[in-house]
Amino acid sequence: GESVGLHLPTLSVQEGDNSIINCAYSNSASDYFIWYKQESGKGPQFIIDIRSNMDKRQGQRVTVLLNKTVKHLSLQIAATQPGDSAVYFCAENPSGYSTLTFGKGTMLLVSP
Amino acid sequence: GAVVSQHPSWVICKSGTSVKIECRSLDFQATTMFWYRQFPKQSLMLMATSNEGSKATYEQGVEKDKFLINHASLTLSTLTVTSAHPEDSSFYICSAATSGSLHEQFFGPGTRLTVL
Repeated sequence: GESVGLHLPTLSVQEGDNSIINCAYSNSASDYFIWYKQESGKGPQFIIDIRSNMDKRQGQRVTVLLNKTVKHLSLQIAATQPGDSAVYFCAENPSGYSTLTFGKGTMLLVSP
Repeated sequence: GAVVSQHPSWVICKSGTSVKIECRSLDFQATTMFWYRQFPKQSLMLMATSNEGSKATYEQGVEKDKFLINHASLTLSTLTVTSAHPEDSSFYICSAATSGSLHEQFFGPGTRLTVL
């Protein structure tokens, strides 16, 4: 969902559930997308990336889906663990540019 | 590999003073480094892009005279917040990339700046 003001959208799940975090990106020229995990007081940590010529990519316990038609990206985390609790950001990289544009973020809270 | 460090991890300073934050790539040469600012519960906002040996490129709305960036070597970039004010209090994060893969950025752990 969209964040308003200083409120991050929050997803609360139980340990062992599957989590789906969504992101709407803005630039149709973006050809590279990345999901980052940020724990409190730390820098972003790379999770998984995907190029625009793909619509799905899988990693260890994570899957990223890309729908270019509606400019939507999602991150699926299987068997969510308490250690997955963090803020998750999507980022897009427009073709030909070196800069990344970050989305607004979603806080994932995993309860045991 | 691809480790980026920042120093200090946190700093408290008085209003009107200047603060320097260092960003180092420890095991690779970073031709490009990026500086971001992040306010609580918000996303990372790019402040500037610096290439080794040249002037930084600042994003719209970022004062280049207030946020001085120096990228003197392939492993070090510094951000100096000059005449800091309480509204400059934020989490400052750097990232580094190599010339062959500019979109693949490796992030530092961030520096928490508090201006009293």
